[in-house]
Amino acid sequence: RKEVEQDPGPFNVPEGATVAFNCTYSNSASQSFFWYRQDCRKEPKLLMSVYSSGNEDGRFTAQLNRASQYISLLIRDSKLSDSATYLCVVGVTSGTYKYIFGTGTRLKVLA
Amino acid sequence: DTAVSQTPKYLVTQMGNDKSIKCEQNLGHDTMYWYKQDSKKFLKIMFSYNNKELIINETVPNRFSPKSPDKAHLNLHINSLELGDSAVYFCASSQSVRRNYQETQYFGPGTRLLVL
Repeated sequence: RKEVEQDPGPFNVPEGATVAFNCTYSNSASQSFFWYRQDCRKEPKLLMSVYSSGNEDGRFTAQLNRASQYISLLIRDSKLSDSATYLCVVGVTSGTYKYIFGTGTRLKVLA
Repeated sequence: DTAVSQTPKYLVTQMGNDKSIKCEQNLGHDTMYWYKQDSKKFLKIMFSYNNKELIINETVPNRFSPKSPDKAHLNLHINSLELGDSAVYFCASSQSVRRNYQETQYFGPGTRLLVL
């Protein structure tokens, strides 16, 4: 079982739609959580950190459920420019500290 | 100014050759990383250095040797390249993985390595 699992998609949605991505992680000692965005042939960039109480940044809302070891990302009013791969990232301590990336969920927003 | 830079951007080489990729960050960060992203887009940590000290060394063939001459630079040398080494290699940095777990990683543009 992968340490961080995501549905690879693609999710094809029309402009203006609301779309949600889920991510599950296996290590209960995970301490930090993030969503990164990666455009085609580009480097990953931080979209938002995920806090225990949930957090929002404009059209983006992230939620964390520690009991179920589950993270979500909700995108409202999708724009064409939201088309990208969304990477779930979990920080774990196992001797030292490292970040584990999910395989990403691909989103295509259609005109 | 580019925060995390890598050279070269593209690298095409023959099997068996030795090659190096260089990475530099001008963010004043203490921690630097090398990741490999394979054809299935899976991004996997290879190495991490904190202030020139190796802190993560994942199960990577010993043909791969990182070197950090100072905390702003982390290079990756690969000996006897194999077909399976073809991938995109990303360098990244963060402020200090030892002080703050909720840290942003800043990635370089990647080096696309193709082994023929």
